[in-house]
Amino acid sequence: GIQVEQSPPDLILQEGANSTLRCNFSDSVNNLQWFHQNPWGQLINLFYIPSGTKQNGRLSATTVATERYSLLYISSSQTTDSGVYFCAVDRDSSYKLIFGSGTRLLVRP
Amino acid sequence: DAGVIQSPRHEVTEMGQEVTLRCKPISGHNSLFWYRQTMMRGLELLIYFNNNVPIDDSGMPEDRFSAKMPNASFSTLKIQPSEPRDSAVYFCASSFGGPTGELFFGEGSRLTVL
Repeated sequence: GIQVEQSPPDLILQEGANSTLRCNFSDSVNNLQWFHQNPWGQLINLFYIPSGTKQNGRLSATTVATERYSLLYISSSQTTDSGVYFCAVDRDSSYKLIFGSGTRLLVRP
Repeated sequence: DAGVIQSPRHEVTEMGQEVTLRCKPISGHNSLFWYRQTMMRGLELLIYFNNNVPIDDSGMPEDRFSAKMPNASFSTLKIQPSEPRDSAVYFCASSFGGPTGELFFGEGSRLTVL
């Protein structure tokens, strides 16, 4: 099956810093989504981005489907950005999203 | 606009007891998913409904688990009898426009089986 690898596994930032999280996938996909799981366990959908670039406030994401990777940019990080960031993909328009193991982010004040 | 609503948020029960988790998807969404999250296995898809019909339950761990969706606004996940290894956070999620639509999760139900 398709493999999803996220890097780095852990990241510590000082408030105000910028960061880039990466998601590599082993095969072509029809669907890629980024999620943030906050310290309280809530899973929030950040982006639905099978290709191209999207921006939402301080966050933006780019997926280069032909090269099988996606990047999540966080600018001017805040402590509320802490948590785990997951990317999830599916291929062949199936419904089974395959989740990566996540990047655990800690933003220090 | 209400999101996916799950109840209970926390459940502590003893081994052998029946557990029922409930979910109300976002109005208008036609796909509903039950996931389980543990430290060891991450997020696992248990079952997927489309238009209230179970499409794939291959992720349901064993016969002790069952799920129903009697109408478009309600689903249940039942564990009977529960075991300590069922302890996990159970998420319900829904999407619009089919199974590959943007996925929205509920806040989860944290289950502890003693």
